[in-house]
Amino acid sequence: QQQVKQSPQSLIVQKGGISIINCAYENTAFDYFPWYQQFPGKGPALLIAIRPDVSEKKEGRFTISFNKSAKQFSLHIMDSQPGDSATYFCAAPSGAGSYQLTFGKGTKLSVIP
Amino acid sequence: DTGVSQDPRHKITKRGQNVTFRCDPISEHNRLYWYRQTLGQGPEFLTYFQNEAQLEKSRLLSDRFSAERPKGSFSTLEIQRTEQGDSAMYLCASSKTGREQPQHFGDGTRLSIL
Repeated sequence: QQQVKQSPQSLIVQKGGISIINCAYENTAFDYFPWYQQFPGKGPALLIAIRPDVSEKKEGRFTISFNKSAKQFSLHIMDSQPGDSATYFCAAPSGAGSYQLTFGKGTKLSVIP
Repeated sequence: DTGVSQDPRHKITKRGQNVTFRCDPISEHNRLYWYRQTLGQGPEFLTYFQNEAQLEKSRLLSDRFSAERPKGSFSTLEIQRTEQGDSAMYLCASSKTGREQPQHFGDGTRLSIL
């Protein structure tokens, strides 16, 4: 069973700063790593995803960096805004051929003005 | 694209009662997933359907839980003889076929057991 270890558990960043959330996974067979953003009372919303054959993917202020040899990937939020305050989850497929996702425990981001 | 719809949004029931939740996926999505999320945790996979066929079930899905997707469209998740530990947010997601097709989540049904 895939384990996804996410850190930190909570993060406070000043407006305009860079938020960095890290995830580590175990099984190198996996081929898709999405990040989700969740606001209170809402379901998770897909933010950005990466394949392991790509070292970096950028969409607006959000960038995923992928280190295949270290089995780690991270989310960077540039120019963090108060509206980015939410819980962020990394995820990975739970097994070869599986379509279920295993999620990290989440990082609660607070961006203060 | 109207998004994934779940009903009800909140359900309060007494321990021992049966509850049923409904999920309407995005119309062109043939995959449908159920997850459970407890406070401070990430979603945990319960089961998924490819059209009407239930293809994967988690060990979390005890025999008190049953899910159906009779016509490959909407799905229901039933919990029989509810227990305190069943209190959670039940999330439904849907996707197109393909490993990298993103799973789109609904806003969930929050179940509270008295």
